[in-house]
Amino acid sequence: GNSVTQMEGPVTLSEEAFLTINCTYTATGYPSLFWYVQYPGEGLQLLLKATKADDKGSNKGFEATYRKETTSFHLEKGSVQVSDSAVYFCALTGSGNTGKLIFGQGTTLQVKP
Amino acid sequence: GAVVSQHPSWVICKSGTSVKIECRSLDFQATTMFWYRQFPKQSLMLMATSNEGSKATYEQGVEKDKFLINHASLTLSTLTVTSAHPEDSSFYICSARDDSWIEAFFGQGTRLTVV
Repeated sequence: GNSVTQMEGPVTLSEEAFLTINCTYTATGYPSLFWYVQYPGEGLQLLLKATKADDKGSNKGFEATYRKETTSFHLEKGSVQVSDSAVYFCALTGSGNTGKLIFGQGTTLQVKP
Repeated sequence: GAVVSQHPSWVICKSGTSVKIECRSLDFQATTMFWYRQFPKQSLMLMATSNEGSKATYEQGVEKDKFLINHASLTLSTLTVTSAHPEDSSFYICSARDDSWIEAFFGQGTRLTVV
């Protein structure tokens, strides 16, 4: 079945450091891939998405490229800020556009001043 | 992005009572809504998928008689936790989408505490 695996956290970085959060997936067909962010006590916000191989999703300085050959969708940001501290979830929807999301386990990012 | 509103944001109830959580799409018609449950420091687990005007589809292991889902209109779905017990305490999150979209949009979540 479809699944998503994220690197375990927590990830602790200093402000302005480079961020990478690894995400790999297993899926049949051609899934769409997403990164969601969850701030403390809140629901999820869509951060970025990619719907086909080699697409790059980007938003608020974050980027992720859909790599079919390595089944990966790693999240990167060149310079993190304290306000980026949150839990990040990688997710996919399978073929067929059901909208049903399968989430990775989440990675907590803590950015220190 | 589209706006999904969930209410209440938190609720405390006594064991044995029922609690209703509402999920509304404010600026679009949601043909499909999803209900998730999130335990502390864990990922979201899909509980059920509801389509307007039809019965919800529950994921394996989710008790349909305990977690009643109603999607009576294109802008409202409700989750009722019946005869709540302390182990039902959790963070419940809904999401909604129009079937023509790739992504779904999430509500802000409801923190349920059963005492």
